Amino acid sequence: GAVVSQHPSRVICKSGTSVKIECRSLDFQATTMFWYRQFPKQSLMLMATSNEGSKATYEQGVEKDKFLINHASLTLSTLTVTSAHPEDSSFYICSALRGSSEQYFGPGTRLTVT
Amino acid sequence: ELKVEQNPLFLSMQEGKNYTIYCNYSTTSDRLYWYRQDPGKSLESLFVLLSNGAVKQEGRLMASLDTKARLSTLHITAAVHDLSATYFCAVGMDSNYQLIWGAGTKLIIKP
Repeated sequence: GAVVSQHPSRVICKSGTSVKIECRSLDFQATTMFWYRQFPKQSLMLMATSNEGSKATYEQGVEKDKFLINHASLTLSTLTVTSAHPEDSSFYICSALRGSSEQYFGPGTRLTVT
Repeated sequence: ELKVEQNPLFLSMQEGKNYTIYCNYSTTSDRLYWYRQDPGKSLESLFVLLSNGAVKQEGRLMASLDTKARLSTLHITAAVHDLSATYFCAVGMDSNYQLIWGAGTKLIIKP
């Protein structure tokens, strides 16, 4: 099956600093990747669609200057949370689209901002 | 706007019982997904349903899709404790590759 990795799995950072999360498709190429965040006991919320070689498409209400997305290759997308604050603490999950119908999910990154 | 409603949102049941989780969606789609999520973990794909009348089974779980009724079901047969998790359905958008998510069903199976 398709494998998607995320790094780091957990990160704790201080308020005001930036954190980069990597999402890699290990055994397939992904033109499109997605970034989600999930609050405790809630469903997934799509933040943005990341397209290789072009700008990401952000969902309404997601600050593109705060959540920087770079999809520089067919196997790597990165999400940088800039000037992080405690309210950015969350579980961030990426997925990679394989073919046209199925997303494969990374293991998630738990971000805690102190 | 596509909306996806799951019910129940919480289900506590005894081992050995049968139950069904329902996923209703509001507009046309022919792609329906079921995922499992364990606490603190990411999503595990269970089923991908791509056509009306599709039925898939894996172990004690069976999923079906009725695109005319805009309804998918996830049926649990003779539940065991290991099936305790949160189950999400998601519907694929025809215009792009995004998924619209249900709220999730937290399933607790008591020994």
